[in-house]
Amino acid sequence: QSALTQPASVSGSPGQSITISCTGSSSDFGDYNYVSWYQQHPGKVPKLMIYDVSNRPSGVSNRFSGSKSGNTASLTISGLQAEDEADYYCTSYTTSSTYVFGTGTKVTVL
Amino acid sequence: QVQLVQSGAEVKNPGASVKISCKVFGYTFTAYWLHWVRQAPGQGLEWLGRIDPKSGGTKFAQNFQGRVTMTRDTSISTVYMQLDTLTSDDTAVFYCARGANGKFDYWGQGTLVTVSS
Repeated sequence: QSALTQPASVSGSPGQSITISCTGSSSDFGDYNYVSWYQQHPGKVPKLMIYDVSNRPSGVSNRFSGSKSGNTASLTISGLQAEDEADYYCTSYTTSSTYVFGTGTKVTVL
Repeated sequence: QVQLVQSGAEVKNPGASVKISCKVFGYTFTAYWLHWVRQAPGQGLEWLGRIDPKSGGTKFAQNFQGRVTMTRDTSISTVYMQLDTLTSDDTAVFYCARGANGKFDYWGQGTLVTVSS
């Protein structure tokens, strides 16, 4: 099972919006909406930011939003803030009843 | 509150096995699957597999089939992950994470496994 493909890095200025893509195959995503996104600051534990493609857990800022079209999921961060600088990973439940993570994207706030 | 507490760092020789524990607090142990994820230094997250604490049933990533074992002890709300035939490529931080309908909502603090002769 190969990792889902994410851009290695995305950057933006404070206040701007950025979008991170997460691309796989039909077997990676299947007919499920079990796509989630995780934020990881250096040396820290990953944190759930988006689940079921577009849902936010309680406590996560509404500046974070998710979507999916075909075999590509996306995470958008609007109103970029310095604290958003981190690594971001997508993950999906696959048709093999396993999970696959994305390659990860480093977000830099300029 | 929900907590997942993992065992401490390990140093192993190549060819050895490592067994890491993950003890859960704050919810019914058998109600949620537990997953294991690893992260090599400077690398991304990689899913190893999961265990259903209720039945003991497991599912592993193809890359780890035959080399990983996951077990649980319901009496102490603890799951274990054992990885065999370690190589230097297995040097990583290993996380347990609670699975809830396709998402990993709570994570352990991570356990560093260093494989070195």
